[in-house]
Amino acid sequence: AQSVTQLDSHVSVSEGTPVLLRCNYSSSYSPSLFWYVQHPNKGLQLLLKYTSAATLVKGINGFEAEFKKSETSFHLTKPSAHMSDAAEYFCVAPARNQFYFGTGTSLTVIP
Amino acid sequence: DTGVSQDPRHKITKRGQNVTFRCDPISEHNRLYWYRQTLGQGPEFLTYFQNEAQLEKSRLLSDRFSAERPKGSFSTLEIQRTEQGDSAMYLCASAPGWGGWEQYFGPGTRLTVT
Repeated sequence: AQSVTQLDSHVSVSEGTPVLLRCNYSSSYSPSLFWYVQHPNKGLQLLLKYTSAATLVKGINGFEAEFKKSETSFHLTKPSAHMSDAAEYFCVAPARNQFYFGTGTSLTVIP
Repeated sequence: DTGVSQDPRHKITKRGQNVTFRCDPISEHNRLYWYRQTLGQGPEFLTYFQNEAQLEKSRLLSDRFSAERPKGSFSTLEIQRTEQGDSAMYLCASAPGWGGWEQYFGPGTRLTVT
């Protein structure tokens, strides 16, 4: 079975500075990996997905992630944080019958 | 664009009472999932339906929990004899039978057991 580990439970950045949210995966084969975002009182929304095509994946709202097999990582980045980016972010290993979620990273953006 | 809807959004109940939640998936999505999310944790899988068939259940789904999807459209999740430990956000997601593994999530039902 696949699993994902999110290395930081909380990340705080100033508005306009870069964002880095870290995720490592554990799998015996090349996985698919997703990032989802959860804003307060809203449903989980897909940010981006890696499915064994390009290793650099671009998502919505300026986010991107790079799949690095040598490091078993799939870190989420954004060049410049916006106040609206404050939310909970989940790294996800998908399977047909369920999703395996990381424990989440809460992103705070300081004005 | 009609997404996944869940009803109610909030439920407060006393310990020992039964509660039922409803999920309406995106039309034509034949896969439906239930998850439970407690504070500070990622969602945990509960159960999965393909059309009306319940194909997978987590060990988290104790005997007090039951889920149905009688006509392959909406689904219900019932918790009998609720306990304080059942307090959580219950999430529903749906997905089409084709394409990738992306799931579309509803806003969730927050259950508080007092």
